[in-house]
Amino acid sequence: SQQGEEDPQALSIQEGENATMNCSYKTSINNLQWYRQNSGRGLVHLILIRSNEREKHSGRLRVTLDTSKKSSSLLITASRAADTASYFCATALIQGAQKLVFGQGTRLTINP
Amino acid sequence: ETGVTQTPRHLVMGMTNKKSLKCEQHLGHNAMYWYKQSAKKPLELMFVYNFKEQTENNSVPSRFSPECPNSSHLFLHLHTLQPEDSALYLCASSRELRGGTEAFFGQGTRLTVV
Repeated sequence: SQQGEEDPQALSIQEGENATMNCSYKTSINNLQWYRQNSGRGLVHLILIRSNEREKHSGRLRVTLDTSKKSSSLLITASRAADTASYFCATALIQGAQKLVFGQGTRLTINP
Repeated sequence: ETGVTQTPRHLVMGMTNKKSLKCEQHLGHNAMYWYKQSAKKPLELMFVYNFKEQTENNSVPSRFSPECPNSSHLFLHLHTLQPEDSALYLCASSRELRGGTEAFFGQGTRLTVV
């Protein structure tokens, strides 16, 4: 299965701390993407990293990709209460249209 | 607002009803997707359309019938559903670019089958 699997399933930290979430997958990919979802709502794209990239930054977000280990990590620095949400990694294969396959996600809670 | 609009936001239907979910985007994207999100399960890719042509049907039961009349609109027709079909149904769209690109999601339709 191409499906990504996030680790941990749930993470609770204090505001201001850093949060790290990991994603592992099983097959070759074109790119890997991270999304955020607030409870019961649509997903919002955070960052895309291509298979030939190793690290990418966007504001307080840092994503790494290790294709040899088939793994990725998302680091959120200086967390805020508003970062409380579920975070999903999605592996992408492009066969005509891009096909995104999501993992189960990490539920992140930031305590004030 | 992501530019992808889903209607209705909530739907309650009986097992003998027929209803349709609608998704609309005016982002100029060529690919549109239906996902199902159930409690404690990963998002499940249901259907993929690229330039109005269905390119993926992820073993979805025939009681779910997609329709893509043009690149901006996507429907999911529902009939004789089961209670286990209750879930959040998410529509997404993306532009076909070499190397891939981000997907934009609608807010979803919360479906309850009674």
